[in-house]
Amino acid sequence: KAGVTQTPRYLIKTRGQQVTLSCSPISGHRSVSWYQQTPGQGLQFLFEYFSETQRNKGNFPGRFSGRQFSNSRSEMNVSTLELGDSALYLCASSLTSASGSLSYNEQFFGPGTRLTVL
Amino acid sequence: AQSVTQLDSHVSVSEGTPVLLRCNYSSSYSPSLFWYVQHPNKGLQLLLKYTSAATLVKGINGFEAEFKKSETSFHLTKPSAHMSDAAEYFCVVTSGGFKTIFGAGTRLFVKA
Repeated sequence: KAGVTQTPRYLIKTRGQQVTLSCSPISGHRSVSWYQQTPGQGLQFLFEYFSETQRNKGNFPGRFSGRQFSNSRSEMNVSTLELGDSALYLCASSLTSASGSLSYNEQFFGPGTRLTVL
Repeated sequence: AQSVTQLDSHVSVSEGTPVLLRCNYSSSYSPSLFWYVQHPNKGLQLLLKYTSAATLVKGINGFEAEFKKSETSFHLTKPSAHMSDAAEYFCVVTSGGFKTIFGAGTRLFVKA
């Protein structure tokens, strides 16, 4: 079974631009979560989607948004990029039910997208 | 509210000696706790998880962790370190729904 894939793997943008990152979960996984990893802040939860609905979100500004498609693939968008948005963005998928949560299910992580903002 | 604290940012051990990575948590609900490992330029991989079953949890590659409610701890141990264990380790807590909180990480160095 193929793992979680993320595209692109590396991205360089300039301040003020916007960016869209893509994540394809493991087949059959309906939950997709996004995380930002930086040396200073560590791993921080951005949001989680299940069946095309955002179930929960972390403490990030509205410039960070996402969506999930009917095939469970997910995209994350960051608008008006700032230098501080440079990070590794990780996507994770999980086999969880509509009434379930991330509490009991392992999350499978993709390799990440390394975003550099100049 | 929930939080997780990894007490050591770096741990250095010699190959063949025991490993102890410390994690304390805080949670308003019964937590689920996980340990993940991240090797350089690779994604995160689950080592083990605690979800209110047995308090001593065995994971992959010889790692295990013990859930101690009275101490709010979930320390990761391994009897004998191997060079391939050198990586960054994250303690993770989820509770009361869908939010996941990662610890700051502990970088494990293994000396030959």
